[in-house]
Amino acid sequence: DSGVTQTPKHLITATGQRVTLRCSPRSGDLSVYWYQQSLDQGLQFLIQYYNGEERAKGNILERFSAQQFPDLHSELNLSSLELGDSALYFCASRGDRGNNEQFFGPGTRLTVL
Amino acid sequence: DAKTTQPNSMESNEEEPVHLPCNHSTISGTDYIHWYRQLPSQGPEYVIHGLTSNVNNRMASLAIAEDRKSSTLILHRATLRDAAVYYCILRAVLKIQGAQKLVFGQGTRLTINP
Repeated sequence: DSGVTQTPKHLITATGQRVTLRCSPRSGDLSVYWYQQSLDQGLQFLIQYYNGEERAKGNILERFSAQQFPDLHSELNLSSLELGDSALYFCASRGDRGNNEQFFGPGTRLTVL
Repeated sequence: DAKTTQPNSMESNEEEPVHLPCNHSTISGTDYIHWYRQLPSQGPEYVIHGLTSNVNNRMASLAIAEDRKSSTLILHRATLRDAAVYYCILRAVLKIQGAQKLVFGQGTRLTINP
């Protein structure tokens, strides 16, 4: 158990809809990262937040957005969903003070029908 | 982002050492070399990282070539639980404080035979 929790575990929705994925980082970790893992694209970094502010950006679509709240939990919002958005979405957290290890949650499996 | 090249798959036997290679010929002087692994149906898990010198921890050893264009992850005594996809990642040092970006490649699928 990494200490990172993600909800829900599974999500099934239809094209065009909007969903919100939630992540609670390990206690005290200021950084939260979001990744997408699909069969054709592999594991892709989407975005990082650090203490509420966006710090690094990867291949995140404009239809996707994220935020980190004062209690450090984070949400990833996916809108106008397409079939190709079906994937596993992982959240990871990292401590401060030069710690280089990211701790990954169990993921949320999104299926778009 | 600098790229890494790994074999698609490798196979080894239980209780034997495993050497997982990674080529990164375009590595820059400040890139760190990270290894993560992903066990079936789980999120990735940190294994080890290094910059220039060889590194050891309770999970594995990382041997880095003198020119830093390649590295090898060494599992000293493989167990069935080590069957996973192993990712070799180059992490650039970003200018923004606290920023970190890991770019995963396709990884090496390691199979361990009993």
